[in-house]
Amino acid sequence: EAGVVQSPRYKIIEKKQPVAFWCNPISGHNTLYWYLQNLGQGPELLIRYENEEAVDDSQLPKDRFSAERLKGVDSTLKIQPAELGDSAVYLCASSRQREGLDEQFFGPGTRLTVL
Amino acid sequence: AQSVAQPEDQVNVAEGNPLTVKCTYSVSGNPYLFWYVQYPNRGLQFLLKYITGDNLVKGSYGFEAEFNKSQTSFHLKKPSALVSDSALYFCAVRDKTGGFKTIFGAGTRLFVKA
Repeated sequence: EAGVVQSPRYKIIEKKQPVAFWCNPISGHNTLYWYLQNLGQGPELLIRYENEEAVDDSQLPKDRFSAERLKGVDSTLKIQPAELGDSAVYLCASSRQREGLDEQFFGPGTRLTVL
Repeated sequence: AQSVAQPEDQVNVAEGNPLTVKCTYSVSGNPYLFWYVQYPNRGLQFLLKYITGDNLVKGSYGFEAEFNKSQTSFHLKKPSALVSDSALYFCAVRDKTGGFKTIFGAGTRLFVKA
């Protein structure tokens, strides 16, 4: 089966500019996650979707970050405006089951550099 | 609150020798435990998980992990390391009381020397 697809793979922007990341999960996976991974650290959850519903966005900095998952498939994560501290890898993952028993499948990530 | 600790930033082992990557956790309820591996410029890949049942869990690429409830540990092991096992390994935990939010450890870099 095809894996989780993310684009772009790399993005370089200047601070205060907007940026958007796109994710296409594995077909049939209802749960979608966006994580932030800083260098030398484990992934940290930004938002989790069950179908179209954001069920956990407590760690999403809502003043500048937004996400959507229209039709319960693809998802977009946006940052506006970007700050220097947003430089990191943004990972998208998906899983089948809602109750957390299933492992997550990760995309390759988008490496964001904010200058 | 949930937490995961990987006490070693780096583990070095010679090819052919057994390896252990340590993980301890703290949760309120029954833990669901996972190990993932990350190769350079790639996303995390699932290795194995413990949900319930046998404490020894076998996973991909010859890896296994042992769930120890009394020590709240879930160490990753492999009897004979390969150079190709060199990567970054993450332990992760979730539980029902935490809303099934996955908490990842900081990662342990494994170097296998030929």
